Amino acid sequence: GQQLNQSPQSMFIQEGEDVSMNCTSSSIFNTWLWYKQDPGEGPVLLIALYKAGELTSNGRLTAQFGITRKDSFLNISASIPSDVGIYFCAGANNAGNMLTFGGGTRLMVKP
Amino acid sequence: NAGVTQTPKFRILKIGQSMTLQCTQDMNHNYMYWYRQDPGMGLKLIYYSVGAGITDKGEVPNGYNVSRSTTEDFPLRLELAAPSQTSVYFCASSGLAAEKLFFGSGTQLSVL
Repeated sequence: GQQLNQSPQSMFIQEGEDVSMNCTSSSIFNTWLWYKQDPGEGPVLLIALYKAGELTSNGRLTAQFGITRKDSFLNISASIPSDVGIYFCAGANNAGNMLTFGGGTRLMVKP
Repeated sequence: NAGVTQTPKFRILKIGQSMTLQCTQDMNHNYMYWYRQDPGMGLKLIYYSVGAGITDKGEVPNGYNVSRSTTEDFPLRLELAAPSQTSVYFCASSGLAAEKLFFGSGTQLSVL
């Protein structure tokens, strides 16, 4: 089946630093989504991307839909302690009714 | 609106026992999903449903069963619990196929 490779697997950064993470696939996706999971909760949608090359922001978060449609990037600027959690990328294509999720990036922020 | 509600929050089962994880949503979504999340891993799709009366297998369906008799409810059944089914289970729903998913808060299941 399709697989999404997400990197890095974990990050430990200082408050105020910028963060970058990415997601790559061997298959093309028509939709990319980024979710955040707080400890003990289900994932919550952060950003959805629908067009190759699209750049979308949500506050301090910016995500891009790769031009090849096989990758996506998420950046967080000026990190704060509440950014702690696991960030998942997910891809969807027109062939089915399901999302494929990456393995997640665990972000830890030191105050 | 409550969104997606899962019960129970935690459960411990003995090997061979059975149980049903409940999931209900109040957003009138057609699409519903069950995922499992193993420690340090991503989400794996178990089963999904595109509407009442219609279900289909996901990536890891073995050992599970589902039903969808109403739009609101999508229970997940474990018939003979095994240690390999120790995981956190998430139910999700969406208004459009493979689009923005709304997740429940999860059920942490341990099989000992």
